[in-house]
Amino acid sequence: GAGVSQSPSNKVTEKGKDVELRCDPISGHTALYWYRQSLGQGLEFLIYFQGNSAPDKSGLPSDRFSAERTGGSVSTLTIQRTQQEDSAVYLCASSRGLAETDTQYFGPGTRLTVL
Amino acid sequence: AQSVTQLGSHVSVSEGALVLLRCNYSSSVPPYLFWYVQYPNQGLQLLLKYTTGATLVKGINGFEAEFKKSETSFHLTKPSAHMSDAAEYFCAVSDRGSNYQLIWGAGTKLIIKP
Repeated sequence: GAGVSQSPSNKVTEKGKDVELRCDPISGHTALYWYRQSLGQGLEFLIYFQGNSAPDKSGLPSDRFSAERTGGSVSTLTIQRTQQEDSAVYLCASSRGLAETDTQYFGPGTRLTVL
Repeated sequence: AQSVTQLGSHVSVSEGALVLLRCNYSSSVPPYLFWYVQYPNQGLQLLLKYTTGATLVKGINGFEAEFKKSETSFHLTKPSAHMSDAAEYFCAVSDRGSNYQLIWGAGTKLIIKP
């Protein structure tokens, strides 16, 4: 596609429910990243994919967070048993590869509100 | 661990005045350096980046930044502010050899006064 797309744009859920956030990267981009942006703070790296594999999961805040990528394209970030502190904007980015010249392009984000 | 400091959560300048947004990083080894802009209700957009070569980097919309190794800084400037520059600006770095993970500053909201 022309850019990175994310869905839904907004998600309101109740504490304890599971949520799935979707990211559709730019066509042909092999690398995909998830970040979290909390109010008044910078971005927090969560996880990245090279193809379908995630070599580094150390940024995931807890074992309630998981992510997968299938077919080297769409990725889903799942948060189980959501807590109020999970409320944030979740941003996805993709890049052609992992070379120093490969820019990360960001989607518009999903704003998650946990009541 | 690498960290990024942006001085001032809010910066206010008059239209036509110089814009200066400050960014300092902590690593002793020069990282790759980035400035991103986030307009209201929009995604992050790359303004400019430094990887190697010339230390003065020109970006989109008239912005530029200079990498100063001795000061571990990568400040963003624009000679003359425009109302359309009102946005939040983020500085980010990635360690050489680990360029998949961007470390971000907290952001600076630029306010343009008419």
